[in-house]
Amino acid sequence: EDQVTQSPEALRLQEGESSSLNCSYTVSGLRGLFWYRQDPGKGPEFLFTLYSAGEEKEKERLKATLTKKESFLHITAPKPEDSATYLCAVQSGGSNYKLTFGKGTLLTVNP
Amino acid sequence: SAVISQKPSRDICQRGTSLTIQCQVDSQVTMMFWYRQQPGQSLTLIATANQGSEATYESGFVIDKFPISRPNLTFSTLTVSNMSPEDSSIYLCSVLGTGVTYTFGSGTRLTVV
Repeated sequence: EDQVTQSPEALRLQEGESSSLNCSYTVSGLRGLFWYRQDPGKGPEFLFTLYSAGEEKEKERLKATLTKKESFLHITAPKPEDSATYLCAVQSGGSNYKLTFGKGTLLTVNP
Repeated sequence: SAVISQKPSRDICQRGTSLTIQCQVDSQVTMMFWYRQQPGQSLTLIATANQGSEATYESGFVIDKFPISRPNLTFSTLTVSNMSPEDSSIYLCSVLGTGVTYTFGSGTRLTVV
């Protein structure tokens, strides 16, 4: 059974203070690892898909990396508008399009 | 990416009643999914809505409790039947678009009293 564990559960940063969120996973044949951002009262918003170990993707202040066991979402010089819950999900080879999500990391960036 | 309209955005329902949630997509999509997001828990797949055939349910979810319709390639409904307070949750529609991108609706926040 696919499993995804995100840490920390909550993270509070000062504006400009860079940090990383962790997503550890166990799957039988990774087809893709997904990062989403979710604001209160809204559905998840797609950020990145990573397919293989060593892959990296960037978008503004966010950079996602992938190893065979975990993924990191690096946030460089965050701003208050980066405050949200960040969700990690995996799709495995035998999942038939099912995404398995972690519980998320609640990021708060103080001005 | 696809744009999803999900209705209602929130509702408060009496126990024992049913609520039908609608998901409308602005383009034709093959794969549509229904998820549940309970407080403090992970997003969990309820079922895959198949056009022209019965939905495929995940372990722990049954058709009698969560009947799903998929009449065409742009629309689906999820019904939460015979509700109890344990059904209070956020329900989300999702579609698989081009480039292996999963897009989500804004969700329906359901409170059962």
